[in-house]
Formats: sequence, structure tokens, C-alpha cells
Amino acid sequence: QKEVEQNSGPLSVPEGAIASLNCTYSDRGSQSFFWYRQYSGKSPELIMSIYSNGDKEDGRFTAQLNKASQYVSLLIRDSQPSDSATYLCAVITNTGNQFYFGTGTSLTVIP
Amino acid sequence: DAGVIQSPRHEVTEMGQEVTLRCKPISGHDYLFWYRQTMMRGLELLIYFNNNVPIDDSGMPEDRFSAKMPNASFSTLKIQPSEPRDSAVYFCASSLAIKKPGQANFGSGTRLTVV
Repeated sequence: QKEVEQNSGPLSVPEGAIASLNCTYSDRGSQSFFWYRQYSGKSPELIMSIYSNGDKEDGRFTAQLNKASQYVSLLIRDSQPSDSATYLCAVITNTGNQFYFGTGTSLTVIP
Repeated sequence: DAGVIQSPRHEVTEMGQEVTLRCKPISGHDYLFWYRQTMMRGLELLIYFNNNVPIDDSGMPEDRFSAKMPNASFSTLKIQPSEPRDSAVYFCASSLAIKKPGQANFGSGTRLTVV
């Protein structure tokens, strides 16, 4: 079982819609969770971090964490074509103190 | 701050040759990570250092891969001998503290092609 799993997609949404990206993790003791965005041919960049159960909002982005169910999600409201990218979920595990990435979900926002 | 600097940006080499990838982390960052990214496997952690000391190299695929960090401002990832299946984008990243609610800053990556 991989430490972090994501649906690879591709996920397509129309401009203005809500895009929902999901991620599950295997280490129940994990405490830190991150969403990175990676444009094609570029390096990953951090867009959200979350550490407590519940929602965390930053502009059009909302990260949601449910530790009991071991999933973290990212919602993008009012999706824009510029949001088209691969979104990587990352987790810092309590065991081994390691930083794991999921394989990413490709998002396309259709104008 | 110039960010994490990797060189070269692109490398094409023949199978069996030695390849050395270089990384300069952000000044003051005490963690350095080497990742490999492929379409099939995504972003894989190869090895990470804390204060120049290798902490976990369990992601290094085999003995052909080695990494060093002789000082706080420089790290290398070496593949010897290289094989076509090593073709990937290799990223170096640095961070101030692995659990700090901040981020790992990634370099631009080195696209390696082994023919």
C-alpha cells in the first residue's frame, strides 16, 4: 500500500465550477498535510497546508482534513483555466519522519 | 533569494555513463531532499539529508545511485552506471524543518535522458 494515494484523473471541470481533488493516506499518525500544484514542465509549488481536522480556506482554495477517515481534499472554487495543472498531495508521516507525495491528479479547467 | 538551484537543466547521456546532478539549497535550510518524477511512479523520494547528514536513503533504487552533501550549500546525486530506466526528472528540494508548517522549495529539476 502506498503511503499517499490519489486518483490520477484526468479531472475536467468547466470554468467557474468547483473542482474537488481527493487524497488518502495510510499512516494514521500523520500530522501534516500539503497540497502542491505542478504546471506541466515545472516544479511543484506549495499552495495549501493543513494540520487540524476541518476546513482551511485560502482565497478560492479550501483544504479539508478528516483524520478519522484518513483523507484530505482540496476544493477549488470558481475554477479558472489557469488552475489547469497536476495537484500533488503530500504527507509528513509520524513513522520514519518522511515526506511522501501522491502521484498527483491532473486537472483541466475548460473555458 | 535565488531559490533552490539545480544543474544541469537537461542531461542526455548514453547507457553506462556516469551522471552527476547538482543542487544548491536555499541558504539556511537544514533539510535537503532528492526526488525522482516519472509519469508511471509520480514523485518519489530518493534520499533526504538533515544538516548535511543522510537520514533516510531507503528510496534510492539501487547501488548505482549515490548522494552526497559535503556542506550545507551543495549536494550531488550520482548515477553510475546509468540505464535507460533512469530517465526521469530529478528534483532537489530544501526546507527549514521537516515538520514546520511551511514548505519544501523545489528546484527547477534536471531532466535526465539515458539513451
